[in-house]
Amino acid sequence: SQTIHQWPATLVQPVGSPLSLECTVEGTSNPNLYWYRQAAGRGLQLLFYSVGIGQISSEVPQNLSASRPQDRQFILSSKKLLLSDSGFYLCARGIGTHEQFFGPGTRLTVL
Amino acid sequence: DQQVKQNSPSLSVQEGRISILNCDYTNSMFDYFLWYKKYPAEGPTFLISISSIKDKNEDGRFTVFLNKSAKHLSLHIVPSQPGDSAVYFCAAFDSGGGADGLTFGKGTHLIIQP
Repeated sequence: SQTIHQWPATLVQPVGSPLSLECTVEGTSNPNLYWYRQAAGRGLQLLFYSVGIGQISSEVPQNLSASRPQDRQFILSSKKLLLSDSGFYLCARGIGTHEQFFGPGTRLTVL
Repeated sequence: DQQVKQNSPSLSVQEGRISILNCDYTNSMFDYFLWYKKYPAEGPTFLISISSIKDKNEDGRFTVFLNKSAKHLSLHIVPSQPGDSAVYFCAAFDSGGGADGLTFGKGTHLIIQP
């Protein structure tokens, strides 16, 4: 099974509030994990990737951070949300050499 | 600078006809290309891929063509069906880039008309 769980499915948060989005994956151990964001009118932008517990690489400077406390858990966080953080957040795991399998996503609206 | 470009935000095709979605890239280090299909409020699902050592890959109604010299690829869907209506993302991968993620285009919204 390559199931990916993302929680919550939708979230509405005020500007300046903290954020924690959780992603848990099933299947083979030690997967490469990724966080993407799809903002309105834009494609999917890679935010972070992780090759193992405690290992995080950031692709773009931003108001967000990521952590991988367990092998199959990937968390996206922010201390203070901005309006521009609104979007559809997708967690993905690597499959094989190139392909990535995506979770159902979390719709975040910052007001 | 966008390294993967899908210049058509939307495309409308009649059911039964061929749908052709285009994608251009600028990074010559990309050596693997993928197409994903996405419905609203869902994660993208993998459709088809092609390695840079090939110029064509076919899977049922879906065929991807790669023109390396032009840095261009296209996805052909024939015949188009109503269930094909979705946003299609072109993505590229640099195998020499470690565990880096995919680089995506902005997507093309395909609308299949009955």
